[in-house]
Amino acid sequence: GAGVSQTPSNKVTEKGKYVELRCDPISGHTALYWYRQSLGQGPEFLIYFQGTGAADDSGLPNDRFFAVRPEGSVSTLKIQRTERGDSAVYLCASSPSGSGETQYFGPGTRLLVL
Amino acid sequence: QKEVEQNSGPLSVPEGAIASLNCTYSDRGSQSFFWYRQYSGKSPELIMFIYSNGDKEDGRFTAQLNKASQYVSLLIRDSQPSDSATYLCAFNSGGYNKLIFGAGTRLAVHP
Repeated sequence: GAGVSQTPSNKVTEKGKYVELRCDPISGHTALYWYRQSLGQGPEFLIYFQGTGAADDSGLPNDRFFAVRPEGSVSTLKIQRTERGDSAVYLCASSPSGSGETQYFGPGTRLLVL
Repeated sequence: QKEVEQNSGPLSVPEGAIASLNCTYSDRGSQSFFWYRQYSGKSPELIMFIYSNGDKEDGRFTAQLNKASQYVSLLIRDSQPSDSATYLCAFNSGGYNKLIFGAGTRLAVHP
């Protein structure tokens, strides 16, 4: 079946604007993760969903960041009042059940805040 | 102290040689360890995972785990130019589902 998909692949916005990034996980995977990767760094955990609920949002940097997964499949990461420091690649991953097994990554959304 | 330490490289090896990539981690409760490969501009893809002390082999790749020393390594035998990428080490602590990544080691295999 299809892998994890993310849209858009690239997003350019201006400082202060609102953006939404979408992730469509592998069909049947109940666990969904968002990470952020800055240049030269490894991915940094943001939030983990088990089904519809956010089981761990400890990685969200501040209250400008919010994510939802209303039907337990597609997830949207929302960033308000974007700042230049939010520029990064936002990666989504999914896994079958979230029990520490392999996470499969999507292609990422490259966000540039001007 | 960073949670996962990796030498940033670049590690340069000739084609056909063995590439050795190393990683140390700080969380003694860590249970699962992963090696991901990331080509420039692409997302990470899983190479190996290892849960138990010792070696785990898969084709040209061998992962080695020593929990007492909090050390995990990846050996790539018969290195090919197509192996040139950044290799990310990550762990998933027991009871937690987030992956903690190192910054990655850049490997360059030259013909």
